[in-house]
Amino acid sequence: GAVVSQHPSWVICKSGTSVKIECRSLDFQATTMFWYRQFPKQSLMLMATSNEGSKATYEQGVEKDKFLINHASLTLSTLTVTSAHPEDSSFYICSARRTAAYEQYFGPGTRLTVT
Amino acid sequence: DAKTTQPPSMDCAEGRAANLPCNHSTISGNEYVYWYRQIHSQGPQYIIHGLKNNETNEMASLIITEDRKSSTLILPHATLRDTAVYYCIVRLGTYKYIFGTGTRLKVLA
Repeated sequence: GAVVSQHPSWVICKSGTSVKIECRSLDFQATTMFWYRQFPKQSLMLMATSNEGSKATYEQGVEKDKFLINHASLTLSTLTVTSAHPEDSSFYICSARRTAAYEQYFGPGTRLTVT
Repeated sequence: DAKTTQPPSMDCAEGRAANLPCNHSTISGNEYVYWYRQIHSQGPQYIIHGLKNNETNEMASLIITEDRKSSTLILPHATLRDTAVYYCIVRLGTYKYIFGTGTRLKVLA
């Protein structure tokens, strides 16, 4: 149990375009989902926290107009990187917390390359 | 949130116990300690968590000192597949995780 999927697993896009990444909890309902970014040889950095049906809470320094997060259901959250630039190239990882529990379960990650 | 400190890297012989330490000297009474690991280019995998009692599951054991200022994750019989970066995280009720730099464990054949 507690499986989280992400789609796509990798994506290459051109500078200036937008990319949407999906995060799904497959076998549980996720009240809260989290989005992280990880650069090579670095640790995970929390970008935002999203609760189903409400606006996401962004960490300091993360542009909410650039990284659009939608958490429309208890099993799906999406991250859209708008007007992507090469510096947005990174490994994006989501996690989900099931209702009435505390531990987070992580997706496999999405590698974004902006050319 | 409490900050964690871990050694940057460790080696362990295959079949031996791997003991990974973590310092969390500013931990508060209601903060839990979580351990995750990340194998290259994958999402972190949950291992174990605890508050103040020692915990054991099918993957590992977690030993928390009585003053709760440090903990040790024990992999009883390390295999090559346990090679990964191990993260010790302290969580408070907002559910947020703040990842530290982790320990890169290399299991040697």
